[in-house]
Amino acid sequence: AQSVTQPDIHITVSEGASLELRCNYSYGATPYLFWYVQSPGQGLQLLLKYFSGDTLVQGIKGFEAEFKRSQSSFNLRKPSVHWSDAAEYFCAVGDGKSSGDKLTFGTGTRLAVRP
Amino acid sequence: GAGVSQSPRYKVAKRGQDVALRCDPISGHVSLFWYQQALGQGPEFLTYFQNEAQLDKSGLPSDRFFAERPEGSVSTLKIQRTQQEDSAVYLCASSLAGPGGKLFFGSGTQLSVL
Repeated sequence: AQSVTQPDIHITVSEGASLELRCNYSYGATPYLFWYVQSPGQGLQLLLKYFSGDTLVQGIKGFEAEFKRSQSSFNLRKPSVHWSDAAEYFCAVGDGKSSGDKLTFGTGTRLAVRP
Repeated sequence: GAGVSQSPRYKVAKRGQDVALRCDPISGHVSLFWYQQALGQGPEFLTYFQNEAQLDKSGLPSDRFFAERPEGSVSTLKIQRTQQEDSAVYLCASSLAGPGGKLFFGSGTQLSVL
């Protein structure tokens, strides 16, 4: 069965500092990987996704993530964090079957941004 | 509408009551998903529809949970005889079709069972 681990429950960074959120997955085949962001009272918004090809993927809001098969990781990065990035971030793996994306989510990392 | 709409936004139920949660997907979206998000956890898959067909209901936690999408658009998630452990945010998502399609999530219905 597929699974996702986000080892950091809470992270606090200063505005303007760089950010890296960790994600490790377990999946038998080549995974479909996603990062979502959830702000309070809002739905989940897709930041970026990886299916195949270039292992460094660019997303919205200046985020990027790198797929490393050897480490079973898909860490999210941003060079300079803005106060508006404070939110909860979820990594997810999809089975990519024709019946639809049954996503398995991690437990999330809550990001706080110091002014 | 512009996005996925869910109603009600909040629902408080007494243990044993039945509840119905509604999801209006983005017009034209073929795929519709329900997820359950407990406090402090990531969303967990409940069920999936392609048009009106429920293709996967493997995530429904018990036979008290029932979902339908009779005309391939609006979907309803029904929970019978609610229990305290059903308290969670129920998220609906839709996408155009097929694997890897971008999922658009609603803001969810927060269910509290007292």
